[in-house]
Amino acid sequence: NAGVTQTPKFQVLKTGQSMTLQCAQDMNHEYMSWYRQDPGMGLRLIHYSVGAGITDQGEVPNGYNVSRSTTEDFPLRLLSAAPSQTSVYFCASSYGGRYNEQFFGPGTRLTVL
Amino acid sequence: AQSVTQLGSHVSVSEGALVLLRCNYSSSVPPYLFWYVQYPNQGLQLLLKYTSAATLVKGINGFEAEFKKSETSFHLTKPSAHMSDAAEYFCAVSDMIQGAQKLVFGQGTRLTINP
Repeated sequence: NAGVTQTPKFQVLKTGQSMTLQCAQDMNHEYMSWYRQDPGMGLRLIHYSVGAGITDQGEVPNGYNVSRSTTEDFPLRLLSAAPSQTSVYFCASSYGGRYNEQFFGPGTRLTVL
Repeated sequence: AQSVTQLGSHVSVSEGALVLLRCNYSSSVPPYLFWYVQYPNQGLQLLLKYTSAATLVKGINGFEAEFKKSETSFHLTKPSAHMSDAAEYFCAVSDMIQGAQKLVFGQGTRLTINP
């Protein structure tokens, strides 16, 4: 049971480049989400999904796309990277519901030059 | 909208001393509250959660938190700090948006333990 896995761990991009951050979970969780972590701001929700084929925007969705074709995978796409997207990105999953714990991946540290 | 405020972005205590990390919440409905810990270069790990069953909640690694409705607080404590407790701690309140859980996080408190 690997839990939530993310790749890559580190990435450096140039402004305007695109890339996909991968996220997978093996706990059969319906709910998955992407957060970004910036100093002094906690974690902010980018996009989330309540099941395969269903996604929606969170608090800071601009510049990011997601899709959910399977229960296990929830990739995050940066369409045209900007320096403001330099951050640490976390993927999380849970059974949903207000009282359930969210399980977090180890994170991807992204730098955009 | 629900929100969380953590008082103090940095807290420093001596090894063996009491740890107190403060969290105040704002919620229009009975809240579900969480404390997560983030060790250096790792993801977040659940310490404990409040789901209205008991006001004093015990978590992992000797941490506990008390829910006080009158003070809208959910402060995290540990009687005796250990060097391994050095980490960043996040308080969060759980909300629902269009049938999906949303965690609203505080800004985080970095805990330093002095030998």
